[in-house]
Amino acid sequence: DSGVTQTPKHLITATGQRVTLRCSPRSGDLSVYWYQQSLDQGLQFLIQYYNGEERAKGNILERFSAQQFPDLHSELNLSSLELGDSALYFCASSVGGRGAYEQYFGPGTRLTVT
Amino acid sequence: SQQGEEDPQALSIQEGENATMNCSYKTSINNLQWYRQNSGRGLVHLILIRSNEREKHSGRLRVTLDTSKKSSSLLITASRAADTASYFCATASNSGGSNYKLTFGKGTLLTVNP
Repeated sequence: DSGVTQTPKHLITATGQRVTLRCSPRSGDLSVYWYQQSLDQGLQFLIQYYNGEERAKGNILERFSAQQFPDLHSELNLSSLELGDSALYFCASSVGGRGAYEQYFGPGTRLTVT
Repeated sequence: SQQGEEDPQALSIQEGENATMNCSYKTSINNLQWYRQNSGRGLVHLILIRSNEREKHSGRLRVTLDTSKKSSSLLITASRAADTASYFCATASNSGGSNYKLTFGKGTLLTVNP
């Protein structure tokens, strides 16, 4: 158990809908990272937050957004969902903010868009 | 886009044998990390090797890094069936700024047969 929690574990929704994925980092970790894993694209970095502020952006679509709250939990919002958004979404956390530290991954949310 | 490329894509060995996986990357790095992922689950951090280190050990794991060749290898000795998983290398690099980003390869699927 990494100490990172993600909810929900599974999500099935229809195209055009909006969903919110939630992540709580390990106790003491200030950075939260979001990743998308699919068979064709592999593991893609989406976005990083550090102590409530956006720190780095990766291949995140404009339809997706995230935030980190004062209690350090984070939410990833996915809107206008398309079939191609079906994937595993992972949250990870680390103690530092510069992105070079080892990251601790949550169990993931499996999103299926039908 | 993937920075690290693992080789081979898949590896099947017998219990007790050693398993070697390789990773090549393109840009300069701060560190290189190896992660394991059991099917459909979160990634687990295995080991981090900094750019000024050449070799690191952790239990049955041995990692080497050759920055001149931009390559790393992960050796698992005396493999067990429980080592069956996908193994990913991830490189921490920046684009001139102070923040680093982890970029994951597509992974090597290791199967250890009892």
